[in-house]
Amino acid sequence: GDSVTQMEGPVTLSEEAFLTINCTYTATGYPSLFWYVQYPGEGLQLLLKATKADDKGSNKGFEATYRKETTSFHLEKGSVQVSDSAVYFCALFLVSGSARQLTFGSGTQLTVLP
Amino acid sequence: ETGVTQTPRHLVMGMTNKKSLKCEQHLGHNAMYWYKQSAKKPLELMFVYNFKEQTENNSVPSRFSPECPNSSHLFLHLHTLQPEDSALYLCASSKGSDSRETQYFGPGTRLLVL
Repeated sequence: GDSVTQMEGPVTLSEEAFLTINCTYTATGYPSLFWYVQYPGEGLQLLLKATKADDKGSNKGFEATYRKETTSFHLEKGSVQVSDSAVYFCALFLVSGSARQLTFGSGTQLTVLP
Repeated sequence: ETGVTQTPRHLVMGMTNKKSLKCEQHLGHNAMYWYKQSAKKPLELMFVYNFKEQTENNSVPSRFSPECPNSSHLFLHLHTLQPEDSALYLCASSKGSDSRETQYFGPGTRLLVL
């Protein structure tokens, strides 16, 4: 079945460090890909998305490129801030027959230290 | 403000209790979802409603019973739960159930079953 694999956390970085959170997926079709972020005590918020191969999603300094050849959607940010501390979820959405489902990875906890 | 509210935010219940979780969206969306978020596990989709009709039920035990009286409200009725049902229950909504539609999440209800 469809699945998403994220790098395990927790990830701890110093402020202004470079961030990469790896995400790979398995899907039988051509899914849309998403990164969601969950700040402490809050629900998930969409961070960025890409709906077809080679699309780049970007928001708040974060970027991710939909790579069909490597089935990946790695999240990157050039210079993280303390306020970026949160849990990050990679997800895919695939329509297959009558099934429509957003499938999430297990999440990666990021802590940024001042 | 995500436009999706959930009550209560925290709930402690015994295994013989009956309780209900409520979700309300103020975004004019037509699709609503229940997810279960357990520690160290990916988010699990439980139910999907589209235009008040249930379109997905991911093999959820019958001790969880959803209700969608209109497009703005979604309930999750709980009875005779087990301790392993303790988790964060997230509600989400989207304009439709198409893969390109962003899902907007509420803050969740933190449930503890004793």
